[in-house]
Amino acid sequence: KAGVTQTPRYLIKTRGQQVTLSCSPISGHRSVSWYQQTPGQGLQFLFEYFSETQRNKGNFPGRFSGRQFSNSRSEMNVSTLELGDSALYLCASSPESDGYTFGSGTRLTVV
Amino acid sequence: EDQVTQSPEALRLQEGESSSLNCSYTVSGLRGLFWYRQDPGKGPEFLFTLYSAGEEKEKERLKATLTKKESFLHITAPKPEDSATYLCAVIEYSSASKIIFGSGTRLSIRP
Repeated sequence: KAGVTQTPRYLIKTRGQQVTLSCSPISGHRSVSWYQQTPGQGLQFLFEYFSETQRNKGNFPGRFSGRQFSNSRSEMNVSTLELGDSALYLCASSPESDGYTFGSGTRLTVV
Repeated sequence: EDQVTQSPEALRLQEGESSSLNCSYTVSGLRGLFWYRQDPGKGPEFLFTLYSAGEEKEKERLKATLTKKESFLHITAPKPEDSATYLCAVIEYSSASKIIFGSGTRLSIRP
């Protein structure tokens, strides 16, 4: 079966711009989580959505937001980009909140 | 504060040389502990979920065990293709869906 699909794979943005990343979960999975991975901080939890509702949120500023659609697809938005936002953004899906399957990620570079 | 600590940070082994990776955790109530493998430029690949102390799971050359304070990932007779970063993560009852990751162990297997 198809895995977790993240688009785009690579993205280059300028400071101050905003960006939207997309995640299509495995069919039937209703939980979608987002993570930021950097060499210095490792994998850090951003937020999790379940049935279109944000169920949990990490310690990131309000510039980071997300949403989930009725078909479980999810988007993550970062406004007013900063150089420190450069990272690999990973999406993971799960049937409930266990056994998460990750996508290949979106590599965001802010210049 | 909830924490997940992995050791060693990096490990270099000769092909066939068995060893163990450690993951110690501090959470108020463990709901589950995950092991993932991550190759460069890719998302984490799910290996195991452990739920209670004393539980063990095996997959090919890998065996994961769990105690009340730590987990071990035993690698028996590793091959060069086992080279990767191995990530440990925990999820606690109170957060329901927020996964806390360790910083990982970079494993390198020399032929």
